[in-house]
Amino acid sequence: GDSVTQTEGLVTLTKGLPVMLNCTYQTTYSPFLFWYVQHLNEAPKLLLKSSTDNKRTEHQGFYATLHKSSSSFHLQKSSVQLSDSALYFCALSDQAGSALGRLHFGAGTQLIVIP
Amino acid sequence: GGIITQTPKFLIGQEGQKLTLKCQQNFNHDTMYWYRQDSGKGLRLIYYSITENDLQKGDLSEGYDASREKKSSFSLTVTSAQKNEMAVFLCASSRLGGREEQYFGPGTRLTVL
Repeated sequence: GDSVTQTEGLVTLTKGLPVMLNCTYQTTYSPFLFWYVQHLNEAPKLLLKSSTDNKRTEHQGFYATLHKSSSSFHLQKSSVQLSDSALYFCALSDQAGSALGRLHFGAGTQLIVIP
Repeated sequence: GGIITQTPKFLIGQEGQKLTLKCQQNFNHDTMYWYRQDSGKGLRLIYYSITENDLQKGDLSEGYDASREKKSSFSLTVTSAQKNEMAVFLCASSRLGGREEQYFGPGTRLTVL
């Protein structure tokens, strides 16, 4: 079945450094990938999404590129800020082209940015 | 724009009790979802509904019932609360389904004594 793997449970970084949060997926359909971000005591919100192979998608300084050849959709930022501290979820849509689909969420990566 | 409202915000129950959580959305979205989130962890899908009166089981449906009474509302029932259970239940909605952005409510925090 469809699944998403986020290998890092916790990433701690100093402000100003680059970050990459890993996301790999498995699906038999054409993939549609999402990154959601959840700040402390807030609801998750969409950060970015993509279904186009090898095209970089950007939002709020974060970017990700869907690579179908490696089944990956890693999230990156060139310089993290204290406000980026949050829980990040990668998610995969199933049922390609269907309105019946649901999302499969990864376990999440907690990013902590320190001064 | 729109909003998702979840009631109650906090819910304290007793072991074995039947507890109901409610969710309302004014986006006019077709699909609604219930997720469970344990502290600092991932989102697990309990139930979702593609349209009014539809119900689809998620990965964690055992121990829960759900009801989509009308397009704008989706309720979740914990059929028998487990002692020391603590979790946040998040409701979400989207326009058509899996390929559309999901909008999340603020959550209901459940504590079972």
